[in-house]
Amino acid sequence: GQNIDQPTEMTATEGAIVQINCTYQTSGFNGLFWYQQHAGEAPTFLSYNVLDGLEEKGRFSSFLSRSKGYSYLLLKELQMKDSASYLCAVRDILPGGSYIPTFGRGTSLIVHP
Amino acid sequence: DVKVTQSSRYLVKRTGEKVFLECVQDMDHENMFWYRQDPGLGLRLIYFSYDVKMKEKGDIPEGYSVSREKKERFSLILESASTNQTSMYLCASSTPEGSGSKNEQFFGPGTRLTVL
Repeated sequence: GQNIDQPTEMTATEGAIVQINCTYQTSGFNGLFWYQQHAGEAPTFLSYNVLDGLEEKGRFSSFLSRSKGYSYLLLKELQMKDSASYLCAVRDILPGGSYIPTFGRGTSLIVHP
Repeated sequence: DVKVTQSSRYLVKRTGEKVFLECVQDMDHENMFWYRQDPGLGLRLIYFSYDVKMKEKGDIPEGYSVSREKKERFSLILESASTNQTSMYLCASSTPEGSGSKNEQFFGPGTRLTVL
């Protein structure tokens, strides 16, 4: 099992940079995902980290430190359309032996002009 | 374009009714999942399946059952709906861990179920 912690809500200004943190405890870590979910829509995949370090994809980057049980999602040059919920999901081993992602409660990001 | 579809966007049922939620994916994925999403609680796994006719319980299976008769279809069944099962239900699919890809999940649009 695991415990995944991320802030409930964050606000930021258009054009700025925001960092959304995620901490976790697992028994058998096998990768960490970030998803974006706009209100009333399905989550969509943003990034995946399985090794330590930074993965960059356009305005979005994701960082992982396995020894610290810590990840962050960095959003640069914020746009109004980035207002959404950001979900951290950790793939961990279940008692039955399957590796399945478990989600944190999500961080609601509000971008204002 | 990959796609996961769910049978209904909105559903209203009465307490005690049997409810079927259907999910179909066209990506030939082995893994399929059912989650419910509630404010302040996030996405919680109900059941998942890693192959046809195979199923495993997630974190909150009580009051639910599932069926996977074909690879592309995964059904969630509420045997006797109760008001505390009012929620947004999300289906997802992915390739299996170890298949060489990121194995990210693709989600359906969700079914908002209200039980009166």
